[in-house]
Amino acid sequence: SAVISQKPSRDICQRGTSLTIQCQVDSQVTMMFWYRQQPGQSLTLIATANQGSEATYESGFVIDKFPISRPNLTFSTLTVSNMSPEDSSIYLCSVVPGLAGRTDTQYFGPGTRLTVL
Amino acid sequence: GQQLNQSPQSMFIQEGEDVSMNCTSSSIFNTWLWYKQDPGEGPVLLIALYKAGELTSNGRLTAQFGITRKDSFLNISASIPSDVGIYFCAGQLLGGGADGLTFGKGTHLIIQP
Repeated sequence: SAVISQKPSRDICQRGTSLTIQCQVDSQVTMMFWYRQQPGQSLTLIATANQGSEATYESGFVIDKFPISRPNLTFSTLTVSNMSPEDSSIYLCSVVPGLAGRTDTQYFGPGTRLTVL
Repeated sequence: GQQLNQSPQSMFIQEGEDVSMNCTSSSIFNTWLWYKQDPGEGPVLLIALYKAGELTSNGRLTAQFGITRKDSFLNISASIPSDVGIYFCAGQLLGGGADGLTFGKGTHLIIQP
């Protein structure tokens, strides 16, 4: 597995502002993912963020709203832009351990709980 | 997108009872995973299943990958208070092309004293 940390752990933001969430892994990984978990709901994949390539977004999520950076093999950021109350969710990063691991065994960070007023 | 039908939605049980929950889909999955999420935490991987028919245990937990590749179950034996939480099934579609996971809606396990 891998040890994953996220910053901030929680934040309360005003509508119209942006928040950048950081995900740090204690070992090098090729594959990282960002998920959203709306209150009381399940997890939904936002995008795949592999180092060395552009992030790949799922249907319903766009780069202008959720820009992602992946500057190296241990770090990624997700920005939630021009926030509205509907963006209030837990945002989670996940990784596939190692540089050539199975893409289907993912480990999750603790999440960032975002509330937009 | 693809959906996983997870049931039951919630369970109210007595400590010491056995628990069973399952996920089904109309699509074929390459992998089935079971996670547990505690309040304020990220999901923790409990069991990963990679082959149709595979039966895997992790302590008091047992999970199986259905032979049709469209379903999986998780059993918890002799439940204890720390088993309380939300259990999610997740899977990766066979030939789906994407590497992300599809999640069920979760089973909320509540243990009554």
